[in-house]
Parts: sequence; C-alpha cells; structure tokens
Amino acid sequence: DIQMTQSPSSLSASVGDRVTITCRASQSISPYLNWYQHKPGKAPKLLIYVTSNLQTGVPSRFRGSGSRTDFTLTINGLQPDDFATYYCQQSHTIPWTFGQGTKVDI
Amino acid sequence: EVHLLESGGDWVQRGGSLRLSCAASGFTFRGFAMSWVRQAPGKGLEWVSAISGDGSDTYHADSVKGRFSISRDDSKSTLFLQLDSLRADDSAVYFCAKLSLGNYYDSSAHADYWGQGTLVSVSS
Repeated sequence: DIQMTQSPSSLSASVGDRVTITCRASQSISPYLNWYQHKPGKAPKLLIYVTSNLQTGVPSRFRGSGSRTDFTLTINGLQPDDFATYYCQQSHTIPWTFGQGTKVDI
Repeated sequence: EVHLLESGGDWVQRGGSLRLSCAASGFTFRGFAMSWVRQAPGKGLEWVSAISGDGSDTYHADSVKGRFSISRDDSKSTLFLQLDSLRADDSAVYFCAKLSLGNYYDSSAHADYWGQGTLVSVSS
C-alpha cells in the first residue's frame, strides 16, 4: 500500500495567517492527490481534488499544489471556520490511503 | 443538494454482526460509485469498502475482507455495509461517501460528498 505522511501533525495559528500543510507519498502518485477538511461530529468535506482543483463552493483561499510524491495544501488568510483537521488522500492506486491528519487550532 | 444519512451503528459484542445503511438523496444514485470510510477513536481515516456504480465491482480492505460486505439497492438509493465477526478494533465511526465517478478504481475518482457517520462500538 502507498503510505501517506503529513506534516505537521498539528499546528497553532491565528485568524489571517497563511497555513501550509505538506503531504508526502511513499511513491509517485501525481496528480491523484485529494484534500479533505473534517470537524468533530461533522461530515468530512472535499476541498481539493487531483492536486489543485478546487471543489465547487470551496473558498479560493484554499490552494493545492505539488507533484510526484510531494504535495501542499495552503490556506491564505485563515478564517475562524477553517479550524479543523485536514487529511490528504491518494487515489492513484487501490487501496486508497489517507495521511494521518493535521489538526489546525488556535 | 446531496445528502447522505448513515444509520445502523450500535454497541455489539465481539463476534457479533451489524448492518449499516446509508440513505442517499439529491443526486442520481444509480451510476455513482459509493464507499465506506471509518475513523477509530483518536485515529485518522481508513478506507474500508467501495462498490461501483452498477454494483458489479466491490473492494474491501484487507483488515475487513471476508467479514464485511458492501452492497447497494439502487431502487431505494441506499448503500449497505454488512459487518460480521466484529472485533474490538472495528470500533469506529463509519462514514458513507459518494464518489465522483461510476468506478472507484479510476484514479481520478474522489469522495465528493460524505455523511456525518454512524458509531459502531464492539466490546472486548
């Protein structure tokens, strides 16, 4: 199985900050990398698919980039609603695998 | 608006069985692949099972193969997960997810809508 490693596992930030989360795959998966946002007790939400495509309705402050094994989720101008856990996920090879998550809090 | 509502989660003894359901609305259920993803307490997300849009192909993670079975009833826009021979490490919130394509094995497929989950607790 392809291993996905996110960093950091958690971070503290303030409203208005730029936040960067990285995701590294154990082999090349380009461009099949997706990002999800999850809040406790809520449904996970797709943010970015296939590296850099913004899901309908997701604010433009979210940006995805990367290639081969290294990918990045950037949040420009953190908003109160953005405090959550973020997961990367590869769909290049079955089984789909997720990173361990990055918790963004104050 | 797409809506996915899971049900069927419960407390069960080790070795027991449960059947989870996911009622879908807001889209044409037939034709889209569907999936189950779980999150154990304090852990991350784990892809458990998937089924193609026409029901002809299914996938189960090694950790549940032979014990869990995914199925769908397109006439009722409902996804199912049969959980047998439950173990303590199957305790988790189980999420239902709609995939963006009819085939889960297409690399460009992704989980574009999710439900809020249903809790399965297995006593040890």
